[in-house]
Amino acid sequence: DIVMTQTPLSSPVTLGQPASISCRSSQSLVHSDGNTYLSWLQQRPGQPPRLLIYKTSNRFSGVPDRFSGSGAGTDFTLKISRVEAEDVGVYYCMQGTQFPWTFGQGTKVEIK
Amino acid sequence: EVQLVESGGGLVQPGGSLRLSCAASGFIFSDHYMDWVRQAPGKGLEWVGRIRNKANSYTTEYAASMKGRFTISRDDSKNSLYLEMNSLKTEDTAVYYCARKGSGSYGTFDIWGQGTMVTVSS
Repeated sequence: DIVMTQTPLSSPVTLGQPASISCRSSQSLVHSDGNTYLSWLQQRPGQPPRLLIYKTSNRFSGVPDRFSGSGAGTDFTLKISRVEAEDVGVYYCMQGTQFPWTFGQGTKVEIK
Repeated sequence: EVQLVESGGGLVQPGGSLRLSCAASGFIFSDHYMDWVRQAPGKGLEWVGRIRNKANSYTTEYAASMKGRFTISRDDSKNSLYLEMNSLKTEDTAVYYCARKGSGSYGTFDIWGQGTMVTVSS
């Protein structure tokens, strides 16, 4: 199975300041079709997960442009340019390149 | 409105069985692959399994720890997805989410249900 490792596991951030989450996979996420199926999900307290970013850097419909994804191969990053109160929650990276789909441990973003 | 609503969760004894349902609305259910993902209390997300659409012969995939105990099925005429769970263990205690695989080459889940809680305990 592909192991997804996120850092940090906790990220206290001041409102209006940037935040960055790293995700590393145990093997390349480049699929045989040429796509890299790395996505980012947000889970607010008491809510189901919500898709933010798909295929490394594509923002899903309705996702604010302060969220951006980047990376390639085995190293990926989610950035929030200016954290807002509604961004509090746990963020997961997920790989959809090889079964079984696997998730990172989650990174908790909280306001300082 | 595109929506997934799970039901059927509850308390079950170890070794018991439970059937979860997921009702879809607001989109053409039969077109999409559908998955189940679970989350143990206070823990992260764990993929359970997938069922493909009719065009792909309704084939399924399962996580290794659930293969042989869990069965995913669907009824496109009822816009419904199911998860049959047998030989349940205490470690199967979790919120179970149904999720839609995004169209095209998303490679991830674009719609999630609210989840249904399953507690396995004596």
